[in-house]
Amino acid sequence: ETGVTQSPTHLIKTRGQQVTLRCSSQSGHNTVSWYQQALGQGPQFIFQYYREEENGRGNFPPRFSGLQFPNYSSELNVNALELDDSALYLCASSLWGGGSEQYFGPGTRLTVT
Amino acid sequence: AQSVTQLDSQVPVFEEAPVELRCNYSSSVSVYLFWYVQYPNQGLQLLLKYLSGSTLVKGINGFEAEFNKSQTSFHLRKPSVHISDTAEYFCAVRPTSGTYKYIFGTGTRLKVLA
Repeated sequence: ETGVTQSPTHLIKTRGQQVTLRCSSQSGHNTVSWYQQALGQGPQFIFQYYREEENGRGNFPPRFSGLQFPNYSSELNVNALELDDSALYLCASSLWGGGSEQYFGPGTRLTVT
Repeated sequence: AQSVTQLDSQVPVFEEAPVELRCNYSSSVSVYLFWYVQYPNQGLQLLLKYLSGSTLVKGINGFEAEFNKSQTSFHLRKPSVHISDTAEYFCAVRPTSGTYKYIFGTGTRLKVLA
């Protein structure tokens, strides 16, 4: 059983550019959530996908968007990057329903210059 | 809405001493409670969770936590820490229904001293 994987590990972008981060869910998991973790802070919920549809969103602007594919893998897209977008982006997968726990990937470290 | 408060940003403790990391939460709806650990340059790993039932929850690596509904607290404890427990610890809550929107605290950095 493979765990949650994310790519790339690190990424450096320039302000105004666009970025796509990728996540492969743990085998059998049908729900994926994305979090932003700024330095020295706890993870902040961006949004969640279930059955390829967004199912809940945190306090993030529309330039943060996502996709979930039929194989439950997912992408996080961020347009018009700002310096404050520099953070660790975490993907977590789970089974929908009940107290099913989330399994986190190692994250993608995004630096915006 | 939910919120999580971890009052201690850093907790230094000597090896083999006991430790308690505090977590208080606020929520207008019923929630599940979690503790996660994050080692440097890694993702989050679940230590333990409270869903229902016994208020004392045992997790991995010798950690345990007690849910106190009246005080809205979920403190994490370990009777004897090791150098390898040095890490960032996050308390989180999630509504029992609806979106898997976890609300995390700001974290407590546990530093175990030799």
